[in-house]
Amino acid sequence: DTGVSQNPRHKITKRGQNVTFRCDPISEHNRLYWYRQTLGQGPEFLTYFQNEAQLEKSRLLSDRFSAERPKGSFSTLEIQRTEQGDSAMYLCASSNRDSNSNQPQHFGDGTRLSIL
Amino acid sequence: GESVGLHLPTLSVQEGDNSIINCAYSNSASDYFIWYKQESGKGPQFIIDIRSNMDKRQGQRVTVLLNKTVKHLSLQIAATQPGDSAVYFCAENTHFNAGGTSYGKLTFGQGTILTVHP
Repeated sequence: DTGVSQNPRHKITKRGQNVTFRCDPISEHNRLYWYRQTLGQGPEFLTYFQNEAQLEKSRLLSDRFSAERPKGSFSTLEIQRTEQGDSAMYLCASSNRDSNSNQPQHFGDGTRLSIL
Repeated sequence: GESVGLHLPTLSVQEGDNSIINCAYSNSASDYFIWYKQESGKGPQFIIDIRSNMDKRQGQRVTVLLNKTVKHLSLQIAATQPGDSAVYFCAENTHFNAGGTSYGKLTFGQGTILTVHP
């Protein structure tokens, strides 16, 4: 299977702990996105990478959040000092680039974060 | 009308019926639209897309219609099957420029729960 892969699938942690999620995009895709989804809502954009460059961060991404894509392949999303409100599904998506950037984003199955 | 939180619009159909799921988008500058299917515990799965220079596109058992005048998108599923039961999201793509390149960012609609009864 060459789809988007996310690890771990589930993470349960106590408030105040740090967590890190990993995303492996589809191999030939140079664009990578992180989204957050809460129950009953559609995914909300968090941040975007083109190759290793982080080109946009949503205002949803507080200072406790950091994302990296060091070699332009896999990406990590870290949340420091987790809070109850961070409980959500964190989704990663990737896409290829065409001349006008209209290519569908393909999603992984997400990491579900639960803060106790 | 609008739904908030867990109160997603729902559509309940019998197996074999055709289903129509509607979506209103907000940004007249959006030029690309995607329908996704999301099953419980999984990520959104790409179904079909359409560019703004088209008003209809067909796939296997699915058709997407785009009405830019009223900013409306619909997904038609023919001969709906129990395996089609899921939450369906439309997403609009708006372009941004950064770092000397253009990229698209998706904004998702609220989702519709489709339930197919055998």
